[in-house]
This record gives sequence, structure tokens and C-alpha cells, in this order.
Amino acid sequence: AQSVTQLGSHVSVSEGALVLLRCNYSSSVPPYLFWYVQYPNQGLQLLLKYTSAATLVKGINGFEAEFKKSETSFHLTKPSAHMSDAAEYFCAVTSNTGNQFYFGTGTSLTVIP
Amino acid sequence: DAGITQSPRHKVTETGTPVTLRCHQTENHRYMYWYRQDPGHGLRLIHYSYGVKDTDKGEVSDGYSVSRSKTEDFLLTLESATSSQTSVYFCAIRLAIFDEQFFGPGTRLTVL
Repeated sequence: AQSVTQLGSHVSVSEGALVLLRCNYSSSVPPYLFWYVQYPNQGLQLLLKYTSAATLVKGINGFEAEFKKSETSFHLTKPSAHMSDAAEYFCAVTSNTGNQFYFGTGTSLTVIP
Repeated sequence: DAGITQSPRHKVTETGTPVTLRCHQTENHRYMYWYRQDPGHGLRLIHYSYGVKDTDKGEVSDGYSVSRSKTEDFLLTLESATSSQTSVYFCAIRLAIFDEQFFGPGTRLTVL
């Protein structure tokens, strides 16, 4: 089965600083990868997805992620953090058949004014 | 926003009672999923459906059953609720394989 590892369950950054959230996956075939964001008491919203068209993927709210096959990584970045970015972020990978998603355990982002 | 609703949004029940959660979509998506979210575990798949009457188990299916008699509705049943099933339950839909999933607002279930 596929798996996703998110390093750092809690990340704190100052407002205006770089945001870097890490995601590594295990996959025997090229996967489809996703980043989702969850605000308190809400469902998950799609930030961006990688579907093999381009290794650098741009998403909503200024986020982007780079697929690196050699490192089996799909880290999420944003050049300048905003207070509204404070939320929980989840990385996900599809199964080989594509039927299922496997989610990481999440990273809680705190933005310090 | 994708047209996904979950009902009820909150429920408190007692150990041993049956509970049914409903997910309703207006998008005519083929795939529907039930997850539970617990601190430190992220989202874990309970069951999913790839068509009417077609369902399969996820990684945490014990104690849960599902049914999908029409495209728009996917029901999750806890036959005899236990305190370990206290959680937030999310439904998700997906148009086609390898597409992204869209999530409902969640149901917070407390089993006393």
C-alpha cells in the first residue's frame, strides 16, 4: 500500500516568512499527489494537485509544490505567510489503482504576527 | 463549492446503539468515500463506493457498514456504536479515477 509521511506535526512561521511543509511518499509507480487545507471545524479544501503534467504545481492562495521523483517528495511552499494561512495541511497520494487516497497525518501551521 | 451535504452534523449517542450517517451529493459523481478523522491519525478511509451498489472496504472498516442504493446517497452505519468510534466523519466525492476528492462539512459523533 502507498503511504505518506508529513515531517513536523506543528510548524510555526512569522508573518511574511517562507512557509515550507514537507511531504514524502512511498510509491512503486508514479503517483498522483495532492495537498489539502483544513480550517477549524470545516472539511478539506484542495490546494493543488500533481498529475504528471508539470513538476512544479501552482495552487490557490499563493501556494505551490514541487514533485521530485528522486527524493519521493512533494513539499508545499509559499513565499510569504499570511495570518489567514493558519490551518491544518494534509498531503495525499492515490493508490496504484487510483481508487483510494492515502493521507498523511497532517501539519498544523501557526502564523505568528 | 461541490454540492455535498452530511447529516446529521452533530450526534451524541450511547454505546451499543445503531447510528446511520448520511452523505448526499448533487454532482452525480461516481465515487463516494467515508473517512474518519482523529488527532494524530489524519484521515483514514472506512469504506468507499465506485458506483451504485458497488462498495469496498478501507483500512478501518471493522464495525462499519455502508450502502449506496442511488448515485446521490452514501450511508454509513455503525451497527453497535462503541466509544472508540467517537470521531469526526467526513464524506468525499470524486468524479473519476485519479481526480481530486471534494469533501463534505463533516459529522461530529460522540459515543458515550
